[in-house]
Amino acid sequence: NAGVMQNPRHLVRRRGQEARLRCSPMKGHSHVYWYRQLPEEGLKFMVYLQKENIIDESGMPKERFSAEFPKEGPSILRIQQVVRGDSAAYFCASSENRGPNTEAFFGQGTRLTVV
Amino acid sequence: GNSVTQMEGPVTLSEEAFLTINCTYTATGYPSLFWYVQYPGEGLQLLLKATKADDKGSNKGFEATYRKETTSFHLEKGSVQVSDSAVYFCALSVSGGADGLTFGKGTHLIIQP
Repeated sequence: NAGVMQNPRHLVRRRGQEARLRCSPMKGHSHVYWYRQLPEEGLKFMVYLQKENIIDESGMPKERFSAEFPKEGPSILRIQQVVRGDSAAYFCASSENRGPNTEAFFGQGTRLTVV
Repeated sequence: GNSVTQMEGPVTLSEEAFLTINCTYTATGYPSLFWYVQYPGEGLQLLLKATKADDKGSNKGFEATYRKETTSFHLEKGSVQVSDSAVYFCALSVSGGADGLTFGKGTHLIIQP
């Protein structure tokens, strides 16, 4: 059973371009979470999705950022018109269920560099 | 709000030394507490967890006890190995589950042979 797969591992974008980060959850997992790690910071929660639905997006910036988890295919975190401050490591996690005693499995992350 | 504070790194130890990585937290509500580990080039892996006061989580020789009175969850290991070199993250979740984890900044541990 493959783990959580994120791609690309590294992404370089110029200011103003769009960044698309992909996350394929573990087989059988329908809950996906996106976290962002800024330099010298801990991981910060961004958004929680469950197949085709956004459950909690309280940690996601209101502008330029969006996330989806379609019925088929990976979850996508999309950043429009990137700025230098978007440079960070973006981690995706997935779980089988929600609530106590649910373990989240993390991917290797996508390191976004905006130049 | 919720926050996690853990000791700054890098922490450099010799093989077979005793390890302590301090972690304290503030939380609204009654959190579950976690330690995650990130080995070079890999994603975060759950190392251990505790869901209520005085619980002790343990795995791979690592231990941490949920201390509600001191709001702490310090990670310990009696004898570290070179293979323990990694970044360790302390985290909490008020929901008890995988959503809404609040992480510390991480502590980079380097074990020298």
